[in-house]
Amino acid sequence: GAVVSQHPSWVICKSGTSVKIECRSLDFQATTMFWYRQFPKQSLMLMATSNEGSKATYEQGVEKDKFLINHASLTLSTLTVTSAHPEDSSFYICSAGTGDRMQFFGPGTRLTVL
Amino acid sequence: DAKTTQPTSMDCAEGRAANLPCNHSTISGNEYVYWYRQIHSQGPQYIIHGLKNNETNEMASLIITEDRKSSTLILPHATLRDTAVYYCIVRETSGSRLTFGEGTQLTVNP
Repeated sequence: GAVVSQHPSWVICKSGTSVKIECRSLDFQATTMFWYRQFPKQSLMLMATSNEGSKATYEQGVEKDKFLINHASLTLSTLTVTSAHPEDSSFYICSAGTGDRMQFFGPGTRLTVL
Repeated sequence: DAKTTQPTSMDCAEGRAANLPCNHSTISGNEYVYWYRQIHSQGPQYIIHGLKNNETNEMASLIITEDRKSSTLILPHATLRDTAVYYCIVRETSGSRLTFGEGTQLTVNP
């Protein structure tokens, strides 16, 4: 149980394009989902917290207009990196929270912006 | 959330117990200790968590000192597949955020 999937697992895009990453909780409903970013040899950094049906809460320093988060249902959240640039290349990881505040993580999405 | 301190790296022989320490001297009474691990290029995997009592599950044991200022994660029989970065995280019982530190790189050697 408590399986979280992400799609795609990796993506390469050109600078200036937008990329959408999906995060799904497969066998449970997640009222809260979290998006993290991880640069090489660094730890995970929380980008934003999203609750189903409401606007996401972004961490300080994360541009909400660049990283659009939609949490349309209890099993799906999406992160769209708009006008991606090479510095946005990173490993993006989502997690889904259960009712007892446990968090389970997806496998991550490797984004490379050329 | 309380800050945690972990050694940067540790080595362990395959088949032996791996004991990973974590200091959380500023932990408060309503904060849990969580352990996750991250195998290279994968998402973190939940291992175990506890408040003040020792805990055991199929993956590991968690030993929390009586004053709760430190804890130890024990992998009883480490395998090569346990090579990963292990994160000790302190989180409020009423909160949902997880703040990741640098973790401990555990390398299990054959």
